[in-house]
Amino acid sequence: QVQLVQSGAEVKKPGSSVKVSCKASGGTFINYTVSWVRQAPGQGLEWMGGIIPIFRIVNYVQKLQGRVTITTDESTSAVYMELSSLRSDDTAMYYCARERSMITMGKDAFDIWGQGTVVTVSS
Amino acid sequence: DIVMTQSPDSLAVSLGERATINCKSSQNVLHSSNNKNYLAWYQQKPGQPPNLLFYWASIRESGVPDRFSGSGSGTDFNLTISSLQAEDVAAYFCQQYYSTPRSFGQGTKLEIK
Repeated sequence: QVQLVQSGAEVKKPGSSVKVSCKASGGTFINYTVSWVRQAPGQGLEWMGGIIPIFRIVNYVQKLQGRVTITTDESTSAVYMELSSLRSDDTAMYYCARERSMITMGKDAFDIWGQGTVVTVSS
Repeated sequence: DIVMTQSPDSLAVSLGERATINCKSSQNVLHSSNNKNYLAWYQQKPGQPPNLLFYWASIRESGVPDRFSGSGSGTDFNLTISSLQAEDVAAYFCQQYYSTPRSFGQGTKLEIK
């Protein structure tokens, strides 16, 4: 059973960048869309963007365009999310999530989630 | 972009009673090519990532108790718990995967009355 294992908590200064990793354990996600979803304290879920690793096709939510970059490293079965020009309202739990079906089957719900990475932005 | 709106924001139900959460999408999420609703429901307990309950609006994920059901089509969907158990206390989110950007409802917090 595939698990997604994320990197540890981060504390960053405003204006800096953070890079969070998400590694597949017990399988691969090369043929699956992987997204990043964040959740501010006590708030709802916000989709940030997603990547199809095998094609390196990436989509981002408009409001984060220019600040977020999602990449993949096939050699380490990892997907990365980098967020730049950090602000206090970027303080959140960041999750990676894999879609249920391989990309050849079309879009699907998220059935496997990472454990989450807390990113705190504070001066 | 598709906006997902849930109601209510919070809900208190007695143990053993029925709980129903509604989710409305600003656009149709029923794909005419395959007659599938691109709508999912998640349960999130404190300190945990979301857990998939339903996909295609009404298909129960493996391991989800059958007291949970998903229904609806087009733009109007419901998540129903037929007999509330203590372990069902959580936040519930709907999500559309019909188009990018993916979007979630604001969430419904379910508590015991």
